[in-house]
Amino acid sequence: AQSVTQLDSQVPVFEEAPVELRCNYSSSVSVYLFWYVQYPNQGLQLLLKYLSGSTLVKGINGFEAEFNKSQTSFHLRKPSVHISDTAEYFCAVTINQAGTALIFGKGTTLSVSS
Amino acid sequence: DTGVSQDPRHKITKRGQNVTFRCDPISEHNRLYWYRQTLGQGPEFLTYFQNEAQLEKSRLLSDRFSAERPKGSFSTLEIQRTEQGDSAMYLCASSLAGTSGREGHEQYFGPGTRLTVT
Repeated sequence: AQSVTQLDSQVPVFEEAPVELRCNYSSSVSVYLFWYVQYPNQGLQLLLKYLSGSTLVKGINGFEAEFNKSQTSFHLRKPSVHISDTAEYFCAVTINQAGTALIFGKGTTLSVSS
Repeated sequence: DTGVSQDPRHKITKRGQNVTFRCDPISEHNRLYWYRQTLGQGPEFLTYFQNEAQLEKSRLLSDRFSAERPKGSFSTLEIQRTEQGDSAMYLCASSLAGTSGREGHEQYFGPGTRLTVT
């Protein structure tokens, strides 16, 4: 079975500072990895995905993530955050089989202050 | 592409009542998923359809829960005899199956239906 661990439940940062949200996964088979963002009282929006190929993937809103197979990690980064990035961020994994469900981590709350 | 829509957005019901939620996926998407999200947790998978066929159900989907997707378009999730523990956000997602092995893994989520059982 797959599992996802988001190592930080809350990450407070100041505006324009860099941020890294950490995600580790566990799986005995190949996986696909995703980061989603959830604003208050809204559904989840896909930020970026890793399916194959380059281990550095770029997403929307200036976010990027790096897939590290040896460390089973998929950390999310942004070089300079904005107040509007304040939200809940979820890392998710699914196995290499079409139609299977996403397994989510518990989420990381990113709070950006001025 | 109008995105995934869900109705209602909020539902307050008394314990023991039945409730039904609706999800309209992105029009060309043939896969539809239901998830439940409780406070402080990530979404947890409930069930999944490909077209009109319900292909997978999680252990979280007790006998009081039933989901349908007639004609492979919209889906409904019904909870019978609601309990306070059913209070959660119910999320619907859809994806498009393709012929390539990498297609169909991106799931697009609706805004969710927040259920409060009093």
